[in-house]
Amino acid sequence: GAVVSQHPSWVICKSGTSVKIECRSLDFQATTMFWYRQFPKQSLMLMATSNEGSKATYEQGVEKDKFLINHASLTLSTLTVTSAHPEDSSFYICSAPNLGGGNEQFFGPGTRLTVL
Amino acid sequence: GENVEQHPSTLSVQEGDSAVIKCTYSDSASNYFPWYKQELGKGPQLIIDIRSNVGEKKDQRIAVTLNKTAKHFSLHITETQPEDSAVYFCAASKGSNYQLIWGAGTKLIIKP
Repeated sequence: GAVVSQHPSWVICKSGTSVKIECRSLDFQATTMFWYRQFPKQSLMLMATSNEGSKATYEQGVEKDKFLINHASLTLSTLTVTSAHPEDSSFYICSAPNLGGGNEQFFGPGTRLTVL
Repeated sequence: GENVEQHPSTLSVQEGDSAVIKCTYSDSASNYFPWYKQELGKGPQLIIDIRSNVGEKKDQRIAVTLNKTAKHFSLHITETQPEDSAVYFCAASKGSNYQLIWGAGTKLIIKP
């Protein structure tokens, strides 16, 4: 199946700093990617839809100025958590639909963010 | 909006027995129903999916059934093995926007 990678797999940062997470589709092009966050023992919560060549669409309650999304190319989307605080600590996961294969979405391995 | 309910939240079965996880959805326009397996610290992995024009799909020990009238779909795992232990999520989507509506997840525990 299609492969989606994320980098880094984990990051620890100090409160107030910014962290960038990359999501890449390795063997297919993705005009759309999705960013989720997941708290322990909970389901995935959609944060935003990243669109290549246009602005991201954010879900209600997600601060677009805090979670900056840039879909730089057909294979790369980045999520930047600006001025991170301990409550931003979470598991961030991206996904991309394989447009040539129907509705299937393929997920990255996730990024564990810990803000001290 | 669309809502997906998943039951049970935790399921413990003896190795070799079968496991069944059930989901119901609210939007009759939903037409794609994937199941994902998530191991601790990893991203979800698609294990099987079904579209609204099909009633059942099977892949080795895993099967999914869909009842459009009742708006529910189920995951069946037969001959369970220790490596089946994980959290399983159902989801539903419709149209071409690819957005998934997720169930709350089921923690499957396989007892040796």
